[in-house]
Amino acid sequence: GQNIDQPTEMTATEGAIVQINCTYQTSGFNGLFWYQQHAGEAPTFLSYNVLDGLEEKGRFSSFLSRSKGYSYLLLKELQMKDSASYLCAVRGETDTGRRALTFGSGTRLQVQP
Amino acid sequence: NAGVMQNPRHLVRRRGQEARLRCSPMKGHSHVYWYRQLPEEGLKFMVYLQKENIIDESGMPKERFSAEFPKEGPSILRIQQVVRGDSAAYFCASSPQENTGELFFGEGSRLTVL
Repeated sequence: GQNIDQPTEMTATEGAIVQINCTYQTSGFNGLFWYQQHAGEAPTFLSYNVLDGLEEKGRFSSFLSRSKGYSYLLLKELQMKDSASYLCAVRGETDTGRRALTFGSGTRLQVQP
Repeated sequence: NAGVMQNPRHLVRRRGQEARLRCSPMKGHSHVYWYRQLPEEGLKFMVYLQKENIIDESGMPKERFSAEFPKEGPSILRIQQVVRGDSAAYFCASSPQENTGELFFGEGSRLTVL
């Protein structure tokens, strides 16, 4: 089975940096994903890590440590529009053909002026 | 290139009625996934389909729910004899045949059961 944990809510200030953590336990591992979801909208893909280390994409970076079952999403130079839920998701075993992602409950980020 | 298309966007049903939700994947994608999201909660996997095949339905309730992805036409998630607890947003996602990367999500269908 798979279990994914992330904080329920976070608050940060416009222009600041925020780190959203995610820990996971899975039977097999084939990638960790971060999605952004604004209220009432579809989740949109942010980042993908399959090897240990940091992946940087503009203001967003994602880090993975497979040995620790740990990832974080780093958002820099926060903007008001970054207020959203951030979903951590893991792809586990694929030898059975199961490629669906298992999602955590999401972290609601509130950016304040 | 159109994204994942879901319809209807909003659906209201009375208890005991049937709900049919449709999903057309992105062009060139042959893998479809259905997720359910309750208010203030995360996405819960329901079913994974390829054309004419159900690959994994481990997240789908055993009764009243069914899904299909025919050779022609959209994928359909069908909920029979709906109950109030079925009220949720149902998201469809697709991925390309050869891709092990991200899933692309539709805008979702919001079902309200009165």
